[in-house]
Amino acid sequence: AQKITQTQPGMFVQEKEAVTLDCTYDTSDPSYGLFWYKQPSSGEMIFLIYQGSYDQQNATEGRYSLNFQKARKSANLVISASQLGDSAMYFCAMREGDEGAQKLVFGQGTRLTINP
Amino acid sequence: DGGITQSPKYLFRKEGQNVTLSCEQNLNHDAMYWYRQDPGQGLRLIYYSQIVNDFQKGDIAEGYSVSREKKESFPLTVTSAQKNPTAFYLCASSIGLAGGVTQYFGPGTRLTVL
Repeated sequence: AQKITQTQPGMFVQEKEAVTLDCTYDTSDPSYGLFWYKQPSSGEMIFLIYQGSYDQQNATEGRYSLNFQKARKSANLVISASQLGDSAMYFCAMREGDEGAQKLVFGQGTRLTINP
Repeated sequence: DGGITQSPKYLFRKEGQNVTLSCEQNLNHDAMYWYRQDPGQGLRLIYYSQIVNDFQKGDIAEGYSVSREKKESFPLTVTSAQKNPTAFYLCASSIGLAGGVTQYFGPGTRLTVL
């Protein structure tokens, strides 16, 4: 079974609109962490935001926020006021186990295109 | 500037040859990782190391080897036993067991087998 599922292969959004990228995960471990990375065409993976399973509040980092719904095993990334530079591949990833566990499992990614 | 460097950016290899990809970091991170990315896919873990002179296999270690003789360096060798080595290879590091779970990535090496 897929540990991380990103159901949107591609998304097209108008500049300045908000966009939500979906991510669902599968784990039976009570301690885990969820990450979002951005991969522009250059290939480098850029860390955006992190949510721990025990965090009480949804994570936010500037224009990025993570809509964490634990019961639904969902960790969607919300980008507010999208910009042309947001066009890239976006990957959701999960770490299982406590913070000593370092392995990440990645989803297949969503290609986001921002239209002017 | 602190960061992770990978070299070369592009690498071409003939079938049957071993090739080594370089990964260096000056972030003073204990943990380092190697991932493989195929076109249109997510990343898959090849090997990781949480401390010098120690490393563990990831999900797709067959046909690869690593060493961790220095904290700053984690080279990956793609051997002739790797049946389909053409891919994009990404190195990452994190603070490690001392705390800090976020992995930071280098710019990647694109390997093509001719």
